Amino acid sequence: GAGVSQSPSNKVTEKGKDVELRCDPISGHTALYWYRQSLGQGLEFLIYFQGNSAPDKSGLPSDRFSAERTGGSVSTLTIQRTQQEDSAVYLCASSLALGLELPPEQYFGPGTRLTVT
Amino acid sequence: GENVEQHPSTLSVQEGDSAVIKCTYSDSASNYFPWYKQELGKRPQLIIDIRSNVGEKKDQRIAVTLNKTAKHFSLHITETQPEDSAVYFCAARNSGYSTLTFGKGTMLLVSP
Repeated sequence: GAGVSQSPSNKVTEKGKDVELRCDPISGHTALYWYRQSLGQGLEFLIYFQGNSAPDKSGLPSDRFSAERTGGSVSTLTIQRTQQEDSAVYLCASSLALGLELPPEQYFGPGTRLTVT
Repeated sequence: GENVEQHPSTLSVQEGDSAVIKCTYSDSASNYFPWYKQELGKRPQLIIDIRSNVGEKKDQRIAVTLNKTAKHFSLHITETQPEDSAVYFCAARNSGYSTLTFGKGTMLLVSP
């Protein structure tokens, strides 16, 4: 079946501009995660959505970052007034609902490579 | 919050050798430890995981060991092959939280 998809695959933007990154999770997955992967760094957690619960925003690095998830499916990560240090690959992942006995596997999308010039 | 340290950052081995990657975690309440493999330009994919009620788990050439007392876990790859070359990430999850905390990754290079 279809996996997690993200768009665009690459985005080059000028410093100060706003960008929107999109994530389409696997159908039926109620949990959705955004991560940031900078060069030579690990996966930095940004935000987590689970069903209709309030999102866990504890990983967002600044108030320039926000995300929403409409209808419990597609999610958009928005970065306002982009800075050069925002350049990274932004990865989205989805999983089945938590609360099950087995921790659900997170399935990753291909990522969006953001370059801020 | 949880802190995961991963070593080494790079590892070069000859084909056929074994490779070991080690991670430590800080939160004693963490109970789930997955390992992800990320090939160049591709997305991370789960290769093996272990829960805190198990000390070791094997799947063909890969194995993971967990020492809860010392709060460390390791990935072992035997008979390495060039296609094992990738970045490997360890992660830990606290049962009370929803998210994974990842290590910074290990770039494994297997030379033919």
